[in-house]
Amino acid sequence: NAGVTQTPKFRILKIGQSMTLQCAQDMNHNYMYWYRQDPGMGLKLIYYSVGAGITDKGEVPNGYNVSRSTTEDFPLRLELAAPSQTSVYFCASTKIGAGGAWEQYFGPGTRLTVT
Amino acid sequence: AQSVAQPEDQVNVAEGNPLTVKCTYSVSGNPYLFWYVQYPNRGLQFLLKYITGDNLVKGSYGFEAEFNKSQTSFHLKKPSALVSDSALYFCAVSPTYSSASKIIFGSGTRLSIRP
Repeated sequence: NAGVTQTPKFRILKIGQSMTLQCAQDMNHNYMYWYRQDPGMGLKLIYYSVGAGITDKGEVPNGYNVSRSTTEDFPLRLELAAPSQTSVYFCASTKIGAGGAWEQYFGPGTRLTVT
Repeated sequence: AQSVAQPEDQVNVAEGNPLTVKCTYSVSGNPYLFWYVQYPNRGLQFLLKYITGDNLVKGSYGFEAEFNKSQTSFHLKKPSALVSDSALYFCAVSPTYSSASKIIFGSGTRLSIRP
């Protein structure tokens, strides 16, 4: 298994530009998450999904959008990038329910700079 | 409000000595508890979890943690530290009465092991 993969690894955006951060998992996990981690800080939940077609806001959803059309993919869309969105973005997944393990598996992260 | 506290931003230990990284929580009911480790420029990796059963749980890389319900703590321990244990450690809590979307991460503790 590749686990959780994220692309791109690095990206520099200009203020006002848009982009999509890609996330995919091959573990048939039902739950997927997007977090951001600012320098020296913990994780803040942006959006999460409990299954294909179902998404919901986390702690800091403003300026972001998500979709979950398949079990495997959970892209994060940034519209009108702002310097405050400079951060490292992590995607994670887990299996909840019968046979689920609850611990999250994280991707390697996308380092985004908005200037 | 539900919360997780890691009271020490940094813990410094000499190689070969025992280490403890502290975590306390404030969550109703019987939570699920996790420890994750983050190496530089990497995503978080799962170390261990407490779901139910024996209060002492063992995980990866020789780490263990003890669940103490009366003190609402879940401290991470290792009998003999290695330089390679130097990393950022996160405690996380998931209230069991709700879904895994409510996982709360602590702010992280930087562990530094000196040779």
